[in-house]
Amino acid sequence: GAVVSQHPSWVICKSGTSVKIECRSLDFQATTMFWYRQFPKQSLMLMATSNEGSKATYEQGVEKDKFLINHASLTLSTLTVTSAHPEDSSFYICSIGGSSYNEQFFGPGTRLTVL
Amino acid sequence: AQSVTQLDSQVPVFEEAPVELRCNYSSSVSVYLFWYVQYPNQGLQLLLKYLSGSTLVKGINGFEAEFNKSQTSFHLRKPSVHISDTAEYFCAVSPKSGGSNYKLTFGKGTLLTVNP
Repeated sequence: GAVVSQHPSWVICKSGTSVKIECRSLDFQATTMFWYRQFPKQSLMLMATSNEGSKATYEQGVEKDKFLINHASLTLSTLTVTSAHPEDSSFYICSIGGSSYNEQFFGPGTRLTVL
Repeated sequence: AQSVTQLDSQVPVFEEAPVELRCNYSSSVSVYLFWYVQYPNQGLQLLLKYLSGSTLVKGINGFEAEFNKSQTSFHLRKPSVHISDTAEYFCAVSPKSGGSNYKLTFGKGTLLTVNP
């Protein structure tokens, strides 16, 4: 399967600051990438679907002005958490759609802690 | 819309014992089915998937799952578990058609703990 990396693997920031998380597809041109968040001991919740060169599609209840997604190339998507607050602390995972579009390949995740 | 129910939030077993992790789904359209494993502080790794054909699918690490359409189930099994199988397991479905609707819907996960 495709190899997906995320950077950073963990980040601690102060309340009110913005944090950018990168998701890279290392060996596959990903026209579609997905961003999830996962709270402790809970399942993955899809935040948004991003398509290369176009605006992301956000799931209901996800603030698009707070969670900015950019998918400028076929190998890179970024998630920026703007004006982060402690309730944004979570595990953020990205994935890419496979060529057959019936499976996804996941990155290792980014642990965000907002103080 | 799809929904996935994993009936057990935690399953403790002893090493070398068999295990079954249960998954039921609901969908108004045909779906693909997946099992993913997540080790602590890591992303998800695909264990196996059912797309079509034989209802018994084999995956990595000795796991297998059986698709039962009438019962809308996709239970995961392993005949003999190892300590290293301790992890969170997620069942997921994706609609077979619908243009951009290739989203995965996940169950809440089952924590498998293998004890010595």
